[in-house]
Amino acid sequence: AQSVAQPEDQVNVAEGNPLTVKCTYSVSGNPYLFWYVQYPNRGLQFLLKYITGDNLVKGSYGFEAEFNKSQTSFHLKKPSALVSDSALYFCAVRDRNQGGKLIFGQGTELSVKP
Amino acid sequence: NAGVTQTPKFQVLKTGQSMTLQCAQDMNHEYMSWYRQDPGMGLRLIHYSVGAGITDQGEVPNGYNVSRSTTEDFPLRLLSAAPSQTSVYFCASSLTGVEVTEAFFGQGTRLTVV
Repeated sequence: AQSVAQPEDQVNVAEGNPLTVKCTYSVSGNPYLFWYVQYPNRGLQFLLKYITGDNLVKGSYGFEAEFNKSQTSFHLKKPSALVSDSALYFCAVRDRNQGGKLIFGQGTELSVKP
Repeated sequence: NAGVTQTPKFQVLKTGQSMTLQCAQDMNHEYMSWYRQDPGMGLRLIHYSVGAGITDQGEVPNGYNVSRSTTEDFPLRLLSAAPSQTSVYFCASSLTGVEVTEAFFGQGTRLTVV
């Protein structure tokens, strides 16, 4: 069965420190990988995606993610966290053979303190 | 650009009542889907559609119906509301062609069933 795991329900980081939000997946073949962010009482906003090529992808608001095929991981990173980065982050995968169907992880609450 | 529009934003229903959550997109996306978001469970796929006239079940379809008469609209019907359907509902749309694009999400409908 296809699945996405975000092992940490919550990540706490001090402002200015680097942050990592973890994601691992179990999908056959070479899936497409996405990160979305959700601010309170809002819909999901796209951050970045991995389709093919360079394992390090850059996205919105200074975020980047590293694809690791051998570890089936797609961790979200940012070199210097901002208080405004505090939000709920979702990792999602899309099987190349299943159209637009997305499978989401359970989400990680990121809290950045001043 | 309107993107994906969901109505209503909030709704309270009594057990046994029926209602329709509306979703419309103006980006000519073939793929549309409905998710429900519950704390600690991420987003779970209810139903999806790969084009007008074509719908299919997702992970949690029981108690919900959908139809896709036009490319733009993808309403979700609750046949007989139950307290277990209290949730936040998101509609999403995306392209499924050669170019891999992200999914666009509506702002959500917060539904409470009492």
